[in-house]
Amino acid sequence: QKEVEQNSGPLSVPEGAIASLNCTYSDRGSQSFFWYRQYSGKSPELIMSIYSNGDKEDGRFTAQLNKASQYVSLLIRDSQPSDSATYLCAAYNNNDMRFGAGTRLTVKP
Amino acid sequence: KAGVTQTPRYLIKTRGQQVTLSCSPISGHRSVSWYQQTPGQGLQFLFEYFSETQRNKGNFPGRFSGRQFSNSRSEMNVSTLELGDSALYLCASSLARDGYTFGSGTRLTVV
Repeated sequence: QKEVEQNSGPLSVPEGAIASLNCTYSDRGSQSFFWYRQYSGKSPELIMSIYSNGDKEDGRFTAQLNKASQYVSLLIRDSQPSDSATYLCAAYNNNDMRFGAGTRLTVKP
Repeated sequence: KAGVTQTPRYLIKTRGQQVTLSCSPISGHRSVSWYQQTPGQGLQFLFEYFSETQRNKGNFPGRFSGRQFSNSRSEMNVSTLELGDSALYLCASSLARDGYTFGSGTRLTVV
């Protein structure tokens, strides 16, 4: 079974703080990793992709990957109320994208 | 450019009926994947198609089937509907191993 695990939350942070979202995966053959954001009542949208070990930064978002530990994380700096959403972690291997259950993030003004 | 289009947006069916959902991918995307999303189970993988061939299938019963046409449009069919099939069905298209672009989904309610 190819599992992707996330803390369901909810995670609550004050505006301007750093939000840290974590994810582990079981399929060691996973080649690509993604973070999606899903607002309530909407479909998921891709916000970050990462393919190799280390950090990848895009604006206020930083994705981190550690394949040895089978661990992926997403940091959101200077969190804004508009970042309040469910964040889905996904692992891709051989035409198969598996998603975690998502972590609900609330950013309080 | 146009995104992923799913039709219909909403459906209400009764138990035992069948339903067909449609998905038109982004132009040029040949891979189409289908997911079921429920509050308790999250996003569950149904199947993935590429150039009219099913390349991968999730752990769903045979009542769930799909196909892809030569223009990359895809359909998903669920026969003998059960109450537990009520969910948001999402279609996503992609190029190679890039991340997916999702459609708005079809919300199916089985009564």
